[in-house]
Amino acid sequence: EAGVTQSPTHLIKTRGQQVTLRCSPISGHTSVYWYQQALGLGLQFLLWYDEGEERNRGNFPPRFSGRQFPNYSSELNVNALELEDSALYLCASSLGVGGPQETQYFGPGTRLLVL
Amino acid sequence: AQSVAQPEDQVNVAEGNPLTVKCTYSVSGNPYLFWYVQYPNRGLQFLLKYITGDNLVKGSYGFEAEFNKSQTSFHLKKPSALVSDSALYFCAVRAGSGNTGKLIFGQGTTLQVKP
Repeated sequence: EAGVTQSPTHLIKTRGQQVTLRCSPISGHTSVYWYQQALGLGLQFLLWYDEGEERNRGNFPPRFSGRQFPNYSSELNVNALELEDSALYLCASSLGVGGPQETQYFGPGTRLLVL
Repeated sequence: AQSVAQPEDQVNVAEGNPLTVKCTYSVSGNPYLFWYVQYPNRGLQFLLKYITGDNLVKGSYGFEAEFNKSQTSFHLKKPSALVSDSALYFCAVRAGSGNTGKLIFGQGTTLQVKP
């Protein structure tokens, strides 16, 4: 069974640009989560999508946004990139919510470098 | 506030010896606790979780963890360490008493297993 996949694996952008990261969940999983792993800041929760709806977002500015498609894949968009957005962006998926279904399985990540 | 603490930045152990990676938590309500491992330039791999039931949880690759409610701890253990266990380990707790989708991660502990 394929795991969570993310694309691209690496990305280099300049300040002020916009970027879109993509995530495909494990087959049968309906929830998708996004985290940012920045140097020195650890793993920070960004967004949670379930059944196509945004269910929760972390303490990030509105220029971080995303969506979930009918096939449960997801995009993370970051507008007006800043240097501190340089990080590994991790996507995770789960079967659903509540109890054992909530276990989040992570993809390999997209490493974003903003120059 | 909900939080997770991993008091050791690094743990060093000789191959074949038992290992322990410590984690303490602070949550309201019943905790959902997780351990993940991250190898260099990779995403997070799920090791094990505690949601309810037996306090000793067995997971992947021979790892286990003991939930201790009175000490609010969830230490990761393995009876005999392998060099290949060398990696970055994260403890996480589900935030909130309901379904928030958010995991709060500790800062991570680097495990170094020497031959």
